[in-house]
Amino acid sequence: AQKITQTQPGMFVQEKEAVTLDCTYDTSDPSYGLFWYKQPSSGEMIFLIYQGSYDQQNATEGRYSLNFQKARKSANLVISASQLGDSAMYFCAMRRNYGGSQGNLIFGKGTKLSVKP
Amino acid sequence: DTEVTQTPKHLVMGMTNKKSLKCEQHMGHRAMYWYKQKAKKPPELMFVYSYEKLSINESVPSRFSPECPNSSLLNLHLHALQPEDSALYLCASSQPGPNSYEQYFGPGTRLTVT
Repeated sequence: AQKITQTQPGMFVQEKEAVTLDCTYDTSDPSYGLFWYKQPSSGEMIFLIYQGSYDQQNATEGRYSLNFQKARKSANLVISASQLGDSAMYFCAMRRNYGGSQGNLIFGKGTKLSVKP
Repeated sequence: DTEVTQTPKHLVMGMTNKKSLKCEQHMGHRAMYWYKQKAKKPPELMFVYSYEKLSINESVPSRFSPECPNSSLLNLHLHALQPEDSALYLCASSQPGPNSYEQYFGPGTRLTVT
C-alpha cells in the first residue's frame, strides 16, 4: 500500500533563512509522482513542485527545490530565503496510478511552517 | 488560466436540507476530483471523474452524490448530511492519464451541518 510520512508536525524558521520539510514515501509502483502543496489558512491548496519517479534531476521552482533520494524513498522540500508569506501548512503527496489510466493524490499529514520575522 | 472556482465559499445546512456544491474549470482538464478535508487533517479523496465518467468512488456514503454534467463542471449534491460531514470540500482538476500531472485545486467550500 502507498503511504506518505511527514514526521514534522510543526517547524519554525527565521525570515530569509532556508528550511527543509521532510517527506518519505512507500510504494511498490515503478512509476509515481511526488508533489508538494502549500495550504494557507484560507484553505486553498497551492501546487508548488513536482518530481517524477524517473526524473534524473531534482525539481526546482523558484525558491522551492525538491531533494529527491529515490533509494531512500524521500522527497524533501527545501524553501530558500523564507518569507513571512511562506507561513502555512505544507503537504507532501504521491500520485497513485490505477491500472495506468489515471490516479489520485495520497497526502501526508502535513507540516505547519511558521516563519519568524 | 489555471483557476478552479468553487461556489459557495461557505455553506450552513440542516440535516434535512438538500444543497449542492459547484466546481468549474476552464483549463481543458478531463479529470476532476472531490476531496474532503477535516480540520488539521490532510485532504481525503471522495470521487474522481475522468472524461465525465465516474471512475473512482472511495466508498463515500450515498448522502453525497456527485455529478459531472460536462467537462468543465463538477457538482456535489448533498442530502441528509450528518454533523460529522462538516468539513472543507475541495475540488481539483488535472489531465487524466498515467503521467503524473499536477492537480489544481479550488479554494474550497466550508460546510457546516447543524
